[in-house]
Amino acid sequence: EAQVTQNPRYLITVTGKKLTVTCSQNMNHEYMSWYRQDPGLGLRQIYYSMNVEVTDKGDVPEGYKVSRKEKRNFPLILESPSPNQTSLYFCASSLGQRKGYTFGSGTRLTVV
Amino acid sequence: EDQVTQSPEALRLQEGESSSLNCSYTVSGLRGLFWYRQDPGKGPEFLFTLYSAGEEKEKERLKATLTKKESFLHITAPKPEDSATYLCAVQAPGGGADGLTFGKGTHLIIQP
Repeated sequence: EAQVTQNPRYLITVTGKKLTVTCSQNMNHEYMSWYRQDPGLGLRQIYYSMNVEVTDKGDVPEGYKVSRKEKRNFPLILESPSPNQTSLYFCASSLGQRKGYTFGSGTRLTVV
Repeated sequence: EDQVTQSPEALRLQEGESSSLNCSYTVSGLRGLFWYRQDPGKGPEFLFTLYSAGEEKEKERLKATLTKKESFLHITAPKPEDSATYLCAVQAPGGGADGLTFGKGTHLIIQP
């Protein structure tokens, strides 16, 4: 089944404890993105990758890192999480820049 | 200033009562307009891409249309399973790293 898989689905952590949210797609898509979704603010892009080793900042990149060492994987790293990073996170991939995204099921992160 | 505005924010319909959701945009150089459906606690699901004014696309009870300033998602004879939040996104220069800007969505409830 073609899909984007994120892990974990739910995560509660403490301020300052480094964490990684994994994302993997099995569709051989070149384009991948990370978004966060907050009530009243909608979906906001964190980072974007057009291909292996090519990444670009989105609208809200502060406090996040990404890497794209392989085409299928695009992990999101929070090196020192803070409570304002409590949110619902989505990874997405697409075949082309003008094609629709396939989204993962989401990771609900709570930072206390 | 929002580049993408969806209206209404919420809409409650009776089963079988047709209606339309609106997505108005102020970007120039539109490359594409995307519609997604999002169920609670899940990732957005891609529905349509529209590329130029006058274009229309249909899927089951949904029909998307595009003009130079807005897009409509028409829902004909909706069923309770059509209840979801519908998101539109526009792709244009000056958007996110991938050119995409999402609206905040219309929360649609279809009552039996």
